[in-house]
Amino acid sequence: SAVISQKPSRDICQRGTSLTIQCQVDSQVTMMFWYRQQPGQSLTLIATANQGSEATYESGFVIDKFPISRPNLTFSTLTVSNMSPEDSSIYLCSVEASSYGYTFGSGTRLTVV
Amino acid sequence: AQRVTQPEKLLSVFKGAPVELKCNYSYSGSPELFWYVQYSRQRLQLLLRHISRESIKGFTADLNKGETSFHLKKPFAQEEDSAMYYCALSGGFQKLVFGTGTRLLVSP
Repeated sequence: SAVISQKPSRDICQRGTSLTIQCQVDSQVTMMFWYRQQPGQSLTLIATANQGSEATYESGFVIDKFPISRPNLTFSTLTVSNMSPEDSSIYLCSVEASSYGYTFGSGTRLTVV
Repeated sequence: AQRVTQPEKLLSVFKGAPVELKCNYSYSGSPELFWYVQYSRQRLQLLLRHISRESIKGFTADLNKGETSFHLKKPFAQEEDSAMYYCALSGGFQKLVFGTGTRLLVSP
């Protein structure tokens, strides 16, 4: 299965600032997915990132708040912009790893103070 | 709309007891169902997917389309099974919809 390296693993940020999260996959994948897991909640899909096209955002998530880059088939970034305490969550990236199913990164635990 | 329901937030059993973690789904098409597990301080990892019909770590899950369920079962729970379990559905466009999760606690 694909192996995902995600960083940073955690960060504490001031409100109003932005944080960029990176995901590197050890194989080429068509789609990468970004999820958010708020405290005590399940995972919610933020957006799907295809290489060479704009990301597709789920209801409730907008590009201005969560801009995504997908410069090649092994890498993607998610930026959490103009952060507020409500953005404190775990953010995860995921790819579909062939017949194995979906593989997840280790997550980025974000705390906004 | 796609929806996954896990009615139990916490399931507490003794070692050696049978375990059943419930999952019901709502989807108008043919879904693909998964169980994911997250052990303490580890990343989310795939436990089972219904199309593979495997038994992993003694766990099995059968897709029941009539009852729209995909319950996870194990006949004899072990302490190392203590973890957070998520049921997930993929109904198309390769994205997953997750249930709210069930924390399984296996006591000695």
